[in-house]
Amino acid sequence: DTEVTQTPKHLVMGMTNKKSLKCEQHMGHRAMYWYKQKAKKPPELMFVYSYEKLSINESVPSRFSPECPNSSLLNLHLHALQPEDSALYLCASSQEVVRTNEKLFFGSGTQLSVL
Amino acid sequence: AQSVTQLGSHVSVSEGALVLLRCNYSSSVPPYLFWYVQYPNQGLQLLLKYTSAATLVKGINGFEAEFKKSETSFHLTKPSAHMSDAAEYFCAVSYFGNEKLTFGTGTRLTIIP
Repeated sequence: DTEVTQTPKHLVMGMTNKKSLKCEQHMGHRAMYWYKQKAKKPPELMFVYSYEKLSINESVPSRFSPECPNSSLLNLHLHALQPEDSALYLCASSQEVVRTNEKLFFGSGTQLSVL
Repeated sequence: AQSVTQLGSHVSVSEGALVLLRCNYSSSVPPYLFWYVQYPNQGLQLLLKYTSAATLVKGINGFEAEFKKSETSFHLTKPSAHMSDAAEYFCAVSYFGNEKLTFGTGTRLTIIP
């Protein structure tokens, strides 16, 4: 199994809603990532988890809250989002954190629309 | 700071023609360089990576890239374009000891029948 699975594929939410994005991998990878991608732009790193601990937070607003319950799962909790947060949210994993030449495996993403 | 520059946000080639997508990096230390491809409504998939073992790197789907230190370049090529190559291509860079992979701005490849 070389897949990173993200659910849901599409999500529409209001600015007062609370929702969660989920990501799962069963490749035994110990590093997991959240990226945000706006249309026609490159992915921007949000968070990195290494061995289930938060390793990098790229100064992401607190309305985004990551969680890594175990080595296979990564969640992104959303609360009080703004319309400008609408984007494709990509989850990725790698054997270890990207310190050398680690390959990232990406999920297909969750397309989020904030109304 | 580490960075890559992709020249040409949009490249169009005829089916069967040579594909050349350009990537230049800025670095004072040896970089690790990658090319990723993104098809519409999909995540990113690794095409190939440079890790200093060989300057000419072969990847999937007939793509290859050559690391040229003197030119600080890592251009992606394919001898003969296929319709299925139409996608967004991202060059990316990381460095030993750095946990962050930085992407270029991307090049959209269009194949003309």
